[in-house]
Amino acid sequence: NAGVTQTPKFQVLKTGQSMTLQCAQDMNHEYMSWYRQDPGMGLRLIHYSVGAGITDQGEVPNGYNVSRSTTEDFPLRLLSAAPSQTSVYFCASSYNRGNYGYTFGSGTRLTVV
Amino acid sequence: GENVEQHPSTLSVQEGDSAVIKCTYSDSASNYFPWYKQELGKGPQLIIDIRSNVGEKKDQRIAVTLNKTAKHFSLHITETQPEDSAVYFCASSSGYALNFGKGTSLLVTP
Repeated sequence: NAGVTQTPKFQVLKTGQSMTLQCAQDMNHEYMSWYRQDPGMGLRLIHYSVGAGITDQGEVPNGYNVSRSTTEDFPLRLLSAAPSQTSVYFCASSYNRGNYGYTFGSGTRLTVV
Repeated sequence: GENVEQHPSTLSVQEGDSAVIKCTYSDSASNYFPWYKQELGKGPQLIIDIRSNVGEKKDQRIAVTLNKTAKHFSLHITETQPEDSAVYFCASSSGYALNFGKGTSLLVTP
C-alpha cells in the first residue's frame, strides 16, 4: 500500500516548456486534488476531482490543466511554464472532498528558469 | 470564501514545555477541522482532527480544542520533544474543500 505517489521529485524547466506532474493513489479514494506551496502562502488549491471524469478549478487554476480518466491517477499539466510557477506541488487524496483527512504525496519541487 | 488565520507564524519552545497554535475561521458552516504536520522535504501528514459536534479531542501528547461560538480552534502539544519540530497547518472545511492556514514553524530546542 504505497498511498499517494508523485513523480518526479524534482524538475527544472525552461520558460515556455510543458510537462506533466504525475500523481497516483492506491487507496481507492474518490477525491483527489493538487496544491501548490509557496513560502508564506500556505497550501493553495489548483484543481480537484471528485471522481473519474469529473474535475474542477480551485483557487489558482490558471496555467494548469488536469484530467481524471481513472480513479487512481490525477496528472497535472503545465502548458507553458512560467517562472511564477516555480513552487512545490503536492497531490492529495481523500475518501471525501471536505470532511475527511487528506493523504498527501511527498511533493514535486519545480523550478522554472 | 473561507478565510483561515493561523498564529503564530513561528514558535520556539524548550524541550518539555507546551506549545499552542491558534486558528480562526470565518465560515460558520465549517464543520471539520484537521491539523497537519509537515517535516522538511515531506508532504503534510494528518496528526489530529475534530468535528464541530465535539469540543475537545486528545491523542497522547496532542490535543485540539474547538470554540464554535468564537470560531477558533487550537492545537496543544504537551511535553514537547525535538522531533516535534516541524511546520504545522490548521485547516477548516464545510464539506466542499479544505482551506489551510499559512502554517506555524515550531522549533523545539533541547
